[in-house]
Amino acid sequence: GQNIDQPTEMTATEGAIVQINCTYQTSGFNGLFWYQQHAGEAPTFLSYNVLDGLEEKGRFSSFLSRSKGYSYLLLKELQMKDSASYLCAVFDSNYQLIWGAGTKLIIKP
Amino acid sequence: GAVVSQHPSRVICKSGTSVKIECRSLDFQATTMFWYRQFPKQSLMLMATSNEGSKATYEQGVEKDKFLINHASLTLSTLTVTSAHPEDSSFYICSAGTGDVTEAFFGQGTRLTVV
Repeated sequence: GQNIDQPTEMTATEGAIVQINCTYQTSGFNGLFWYQQHAGEAPTFLSYNVLDGLEEKGRFSSFLSRSKGYSYLLLKELQMKDSASYLCAVFDSNYQLIWGAGTKLIIKP
Repeated sequence: GAVVSQHPSRVICKSGTSVKIECRSLDFQATTMFWYRQFPKQSLMLMATSNEGSKATYEQGVEKDKFLINHASLTLSTLTVTSAHPEDSSFYICSAGTGDVTEAFFGQGTRLTVV
């Protein structure tokens, strides 16, 4: 079966750095997405990785290792508004999006 | 970025009635639209994929007669929940694609409550 694992919940402090991990087992791979979702709202796009390595975009970075079936989202200089759920999703061989259950990130002052 | 407008954002309806949710791409032509539902604290679940002018492709376990999808134009897709029941209460989200599989833009979502 196809499976995406990410932690259910994480807590971090304002101003700090947090890394949210995602591991996947899918039938084929055509890219990995990270989305941010605030409670009661639709997801918003953060990043897309299809090649190994680190993609940096402002305070957010996303890393991919295809051989390990592993990605992480790194958030720096955390702000209270970063409190949200972070969803990892993978395109399988048919370009079907397989979604993780999301990681709820709680930021404390 | 591209804008997808979903309406209504919240709806409460009585059991047995039907509810229509609209998803519009405002500044681009959406060749493909996706409909998802999300239960609290769970991941997004794809319900169906629709291409303009053709019948929607439903995921396994999704009742096509209950969740009617119409993609009449390149800018509008609708999801109609027919004969709604309390178990249909959920968060429904649409997303629109441009043909580039790496691009998908989400609507704001619709919170449906069936009482």
